[in-house]
Order: sequence, then C-alpha cells, then structure tokens
Amino acid sequence: EDQVTQSPEALRLQEGESSSLNCSYTVSGLRGLFWYRQDPGKGPEFLFTLYSAGEEKEKERLKATLTKKESFLHITAPKPEDSATYLCAVLSSGGSYIPTFGRGTSLIVHP
Amino acid sequence: DAGVTQSPTHLIKTRGQHVTLRCSPISGHKSVSWYQQVLGQGPQFIFQYYEKEERGRGNFPDRFSARQFPNYSSELNVNALLLGDSALYLCASSPEFRDHNEQFFGPGTRLTVL
Repeated sequence: EDQVTQSPEALRLQEGESSSLNCSYTVSGLRGLFWYRQDPGKGPEFLFTLYSAGEEKEKERLKATLTKKESFLHITAPKPEDSATYLCAVLSSGGSYIPTFGRGTSLIVHP
Repeated sequence: DAGVTQSPTHLIKTRGQHVTLRCSPISGHKSVSWYQQVLGQGPQFIFQYYEKEERGRGNFPDRFSARQFPNYSSELNVNALLLGDSALYLCASSPEFRDHNEQFFGPGTRLTVL
C-alpha cells in the first residue's frame, strides 16, 4: 500500500525566514510525485510534478526536489501570501492511476 | 476560461439521507475525479471517470456512486449518509485520465451531516 507522510504538520515562519517541508513516501514504483498548495476553503492548486530522483523544479520562491524516499519543498524568503497548506501526493507505477495524498503541512508566514 | 465548477457550495443533511453533488470540468477536459477531504487530512480518492466510464475506484463503500455525462460533467451520489461522511468533496478535471500532473481542482462542496 502506498504511503505518504508529511512533516512538520504545522510550521510558523517569519517573513524572509527560509525553510523546507518534507514528504516521505513508500510506493512499489514511483510514476510521479506532486506538490499542491491549498488555501482555506479552496481546492488544491497544482505546483509541481517530479518523476525521478535528482529532479528539481522551481517556481518563484518555491523549489521542489526528489530523492528515492522523499521530496522536499524549499521555501526561500517566504512572504505572508505563501501561507497555505502544502500537500504532497504520489502516483505509483502499478495498474491503477489512484494518487495517494499526505495530510499536508500548514504553513503560516508572519509579516 | 472558466475553471472547474462545483455545486452546491455548502450542504447540510441528516443521517440516512441521500445527497447528489455536481461537477463541471474545464472545457476540453474529458476526465473527472472525485475526492473526499476530511478536516485536517489530505484528499482521499473516490472515483475517476473518463469518457463516461469508471477508470478508478478508491476504498469507499457502495453507498458512494458516480456517473459522467456526455458533456463530461459528473455527479457524485452518496446514499444513507453517516456522520463520518461530513467532509469537503473535491472534483478535479484533466484532459486525459492519466494526466494527474494536469489535474485542476474545483473549490469543493462542503457537506455537513447532522
């Protein structure tokens, strides 16, 4: 059974204080790992897809990296508008296309 | 261009009742997936439909059912509601059924079961 564990559950940062969110996963074979941002009361918004170990992707202040066991979402010099819940999901290379999501990391950036 | 739309936005039901949730995908998207998100947890996959056929089913009881219409819109039905069915129900659309990296979510329907 695919498993995704995200840590920490919650993170409070001061504006400009860089940090990283972790997503550890267990799958029989990785088809893809996805990062989403979710604002309160809204649906998740797609950020990145990573496919193989060593891959990195960047978007503004966010950078996602992937190893064989985990992914990191690095946030550089965050701003209050980066406050949201960040979700990680994996898609295994088995026959189904059913993604497994983690519980998310709730990020609050104080001005 | 309009994103994924869902209706209703909020819904309050009592135990034992039935509910129907609706989703309209992005124009041109043929695949619709449904997720249940309980407060404080990540979305849990319920169904995926593509070209009106079920292509994936998560670990949910038979009280949950869905269908997709010729215009690619979709309905999620839940019978005999339980308190534990209270959650945010999300719909996501993608161009093809394998394109989870191009999956766009709607705002969700907040279901409260009393």
